[in-house]
Amino acid sequence: EDKVVQSPLSLVVHEGDTVTLNCSYEVTNFRSLLWYKQEKKAPTFLFMLTSSGIEKKSGRLSSILDKKELFSILNITATQTGDSAVYLCAVLTGTASKLTFGTGTRLQVTL
Amino acid sequence: SAVISQKPSRDICQRGTSLTIQCQVDSQVTMMFWYRQQPGQSLTLIATANQGSEATYESGFVIDKFPISRPNLTFSTLTVSNMSPEDSSIYLCSVLISGANEQYFGPGTRLTVT
Repeated sequence: EDKVVQSPLSLVVHEGDTVTLNCSYEVTNFRSLLWYKQEKKAPTFLFMLTSSGIEKKSGRLSSILDKKELFSILNITATQTGDSAVYLCAVLTGTASKLTFGTGTRLQVTL
Repeated sequence: SAVISQKPSRDICQRGTSLTIQCQVDSQVTMMFWYRQQPGQSLTLIATANQGSEATYESGFVIDKFPISRPNLTFSTLTVSNMSPEDSSIYLCSVLISGANEQYFGPGTRLTVT
């Protein structure tokens, strides 16, 4: 059975801090790993990673994948209160294009 | 990416009734999916909505409880039948962009069953 594990489950930081969120996986037929940000209902797409060692960046957010060790990290630098959300990691597998989600990391950024 | 809309955005329903949720995409997509997110939980795939044929359900989900239609490449519906309070969840549709490895989500439907 495909499995995605995120850590930590929750995190409280002060504005301006840098955070690292972790995602490890055990799946068959890996296609890509995706990061989403969920604030209310809909997860919004952040990054899609398919190759090891290539960093994806978008503003203060960046992510990298290690396909040998089967994990990914999401970094957020200079955090802001607007970064408060649940961050979801998911792995896309197989020709059926199934997404398996981790439990998410709940990030709270305080003033 | 794709622009995805869902209706209704939220509803409160009595137990024993059924609710149909609609998902509309602004472009033709090969694959559409329905997910459920129970309170405090992550997303779980209910089924893949197949155009012109029966949906493919994941373990633990059955057609009688969650009938799905997909009449064309831009539209799908999910019905939650004979609802009980345990069906209170956020229901989300998503699409896979052809040739890509990423899925995008609709805005979700928050369902409360009393």
